[in-house]
Amino acid sequence: AQKVTQAQTEISVVEKEDVTLDCVYETRDTTYYLFWYKQPPSGELVFLIRRNSFDEQNEISGRYSWNFQKSTSSFNFTITASQVVDSAVYFCGEYSSASKIIFGSGTRLSIRP
Amino acid sequence: DTAVSQTPKYLVTQMGNDKSIKCEQNLGHDTMYWYKQDSKKFLKIMFSYNNKELIINETVPNRFSPKSPDKAHLNLHINSLELGDSAVYFCASSQGGQVAGELFFGEGSRLTVL
Repeated sequence: AQKVTQAQTEISVVEKEDVTLDCVYETRDTTYYLFWYKQPPSGELVFLIRRNSFDEQNEISGRYSWNFQKSTSSFNFTITASQVVDSAVYFCGEYSSASKIIFGSGTRLSIRP
Repeated sequence: DTAVSQTPKYLVTQMGNDKSIKCEQNLGHDTMYWYKQDSKKFLKIMFSYNNKELIINETVPNRFSPKSPDKAHLNLHINSLELGDSAVYFCASSQGGQVAGELFFGEGSRLTVL
């Protein structure tokens, strides 16, 4: 069965702190894709990253980095030196043979000035 | 220029009414989706169409009827609206097939049922 768990419902940190958002997925497929989306207070859903199951290399994009660990079925997202503009709800998602992206319940991140 | 556009953005209506939300994408994608986001922000897929053909129907009540006149449009019609239908409905599109393309989302349509 396809399932994505984001155990952290809410996180609040002070600006400039580093913060990691956890994502654990379940799938029986060997080929699958993992995603992160950001939903700022304005409500739109913004694509951040896609990673396929055969590529376990970690990725860094500016202050954002992602750690994909197949051994623990995790795809965690770290924001370094957080900023107030990073405040949003972040969704982790998984796409597999069911031809749909299933999302976790989201983590609400608040960055305090 | 908007890639995925939904109308209306806001919809307030009474219980029992019928309403529609329209979605259009100009990205040339072959797959379109409807997602529902409830008050707790949980995002759940409802339907998916590939080249006008329904491929995913996630046990949504049959009061919800999607229609895809062509692969650039996916509309959602809801009959006999209930209080629990209040949510934000997101349309999305992707280039499907065996390689999962990213989902491009519309801005959402906030439905409030009174």
